[in-house]
Amino acid sequence: IVLTQSPATLSLSPGDRATLSCRASESITGRYLAWYQQSPGQAPRLLIYAASNRATGIPDRFSGSGSGTAFTLTITRLAPEDFAVYYCQQYGSSPPWTFGQGTKVEI
Amino acid sequence: EVQLVQSGAEVKKPGDSLRISCKGSGYTFSTYWIAWVRQMPGQGLEWMGIIYPGDSDTTYSPSFKGQVTISADESTSTAYLQWSSLKASDSAMYYCARLPGYQYHMDVWGKGTTVTVSS
Repeated sequence: IVLTQSPATLSLSPGDRATLSCRASESITGRYLAWYQQSPGQAPRLLIYAASNRATGIPDRFSGSGSGTAFTLTITRLAPEDFAVYYCQQYGSSPPWTFGQGTKVEI
Repeated sequence: EVQLVQSGAEVKKPGDSLRISCKGSGYTFSTYWIAWVRQMPGQGLEWMGIIYPGDSDTTYSPSFKGQVTISADESTSTAYLQWSSLKASDSAMYYCARLPGYQYHMDVWGKGTTVTVSS
């Protein structure tokens, strides 16, 4: 399954709302899609799993939605630490469990 | 606290062999899948493969099959990623990550190991 994220770069200001898209080349079984955040020089961090479940300790300004081939990560009220690269990953089919190419959220 | 601690940065020459490690703590290592993920400089994340330490069941991405070997040692709670003959194109950051078991996303990540291959 190929995941396509858009846009490649999102230029926003602190306090803005960010909407990131992840589209799959075929339907993802069970809504098995995750979102990760990677800040510069850091390892990725799990934000959302199974399309809409926030991982432990993730603020409620992060939310995920979608099913089938279209998924969205929404960040309401961007905080300074939210400027990072975001990746989606599917794990609904047999491995390999591919990543999207990433969306950079920049100031 | 659940942690994955990865081995330190490596600088190698083309043709060298290498094994990097990922040591789990704070949980029952043998009962959770471990994944390896590559990130080339300035690029995105690539899923390389997974191993179940309890029985060493391993699955590779077709892109990496035959290029690397994933293994694990239950007794030391350590997973490994190894190369028999490095190429310059293997220069990258390599992350290990845990899969929580009830699903196959990656809930805990190591800090990464930088591998540099240069003559």
